[in-house]
Amino acid sequence: DGGITQSPKYLFRKEGQNVTLSCEQNLNHDAMYWYRQDPGQGLRLIYYSQIVNDFQKGDIAEGYSVSREKKESFPLTVTSAQKNPTAFYLCASSIDRNFGAFFGQGTRLTVV
Amino acid sequence: EDQVTQSPEALRLQEGESSSLNCSYTVSGLRGLFWYRQDPGKGPEFLFTLYSAGEEKEKERLKATLTKKESFLHITAPKPEDSATYLCAVGGNFNKFYFGSGTKLNVKP
Repeated sequence: DGGITQSPKYLFRKEGQNVTLSCEQNLNHDAMYWYRQDPGQGLRLIYYSQIVNDFQKGDIAEGYSVSREKKESFPLTVTSAQKNPTAFYLCASSIDRNFGAFFGQGTRLTVV
Repeated sequence: EDQVTQSPEALRLQEGESSSLNCSYTVSGLRGLFWYRQDPGKGPEFLFTLYSAGEEKEKERLKATLTKKESFLHITAPKPEDSATYLCAVGGNFNKFYFGSGTKLNVKP
């Protein structure tokens, strides 16, 4: 089945640690996205990538980093510079803006 | 400024009580409007795509419509299983999507 897989589903981070969230898609989509969702709020764009080896900052990129070495993969690293990382993180992919984005099931990150 | 606004923030309905959710937008280079359903703790699930004013799409008890500045998601005779957060998004420049904050729908039996 085609889809987007995010792992892990739950992640706990100690203060000062970097953590990496995985996102893999087998939909052959060129564009991939990372969003952050806080309780009662909409989705805020962290980073997006339109093609391999290229990515752009979204609205809240500070404290995050990404790579896009393969079409299928778009991992997100939450660095220690991100002061409030506890949130629900969603990865998405799309053929392009005309066709909407398809989402994974999310990773819930908690700082302990 | 590109912006998507959804209203109301929350909506409580009795089972069978029809209503509508609103999504208004100001986005340059609009390339489609998308509706999603999101259940707690899960990723958004794609529902509809609308491209031009006057277009309508239907799925079971849901019907989405589009005008030049807004979209409506009509829910006819809702059931408790329709309870979820409904998100609206538009496709804009640079292959970006702009999301509203969502409407949390609660349907009571």
